[in-house]
Amino acid sequence: KNEVEQSPQNLTAQEGEFITINCSYSVGISALHWLQQHPGGGIVSLFMLSSGKKKHGRLIATINIQEKHSSLHITASHPRDSAVYICAVRSKETSGSRLTFGEGTQLTVNP
Amino acid sequence: NAGVTQTPKFQVLKTGQSMTLQCAQDMNHEYMSWYRQDPGMGLRLIHYSVGAGITDQGEVPNGYNVSRSTTEDFPLRLLSAAPSQTSVYFCASSYGGGPSYNEQFFGPGTRLTVL
Repeated sequence: KNEVEQSPQNLTAQEGEFITINCSYSVGISALHWLQQHPGGGIVSLFMLSSGKKKHGRLIATINIQEKHSSLHITASHPRDSAVYICAVRSKETSGSRLTFGEGTQLTVNP
Repeated sequence: NAGVTQTPKFQVLKTGQSMTLQCAQDMNHEYMSWYRQDPGMGLRLIHYSVGAGITDQGEVPNGYNVSRSTTEDFPLRLLSAAPSQTSVYFCASSYGGGPSYNEQFFGPGTRLTVL
């Protein structure tokens, strides 16, 4: 079992829908990152969080440390949100500043 | 600021050849890292550096060397390319203690094919 599991692997939505992408992890963590990988391949950091909730525009990230679970929500989705969304965790159990990455969720938003 | 730059964007090598992937950042970040991305797998850490003169191995270091002579540059060397090293390579940097505490900034990637 991977340390970081994302669901769903693929998600197709209609423009305007509310999107939720889930990330579950199996280790104690000090930080969790959400990243966005554009169709052209570039990767952008969306959020880094260790507790609670963060919001940026139409994006909201939440984390529940006790349940070892995080969600990324997109409100009023738009075709330009189509991308791969990647969850990554900084495990307390590994040395250095290593992140362990999920395989990503491919999101397609149709107009 | 240019952010994190990588060269080349594309490269084709023959088995056994060596090459260096270049990475540079102009944000004065202490922490830099190299990842590879393969289909069906998450990004995997190859090597990282917490400052000039300091490097350490990541999850998949075999076949790769790094050095960090300046804060700005963090080149990745393939010693003797193998088809298993066909991948997309990303360089990333972050301030201070790295991704434990700070967001990472990623370069545009290098797509490498080894024949």
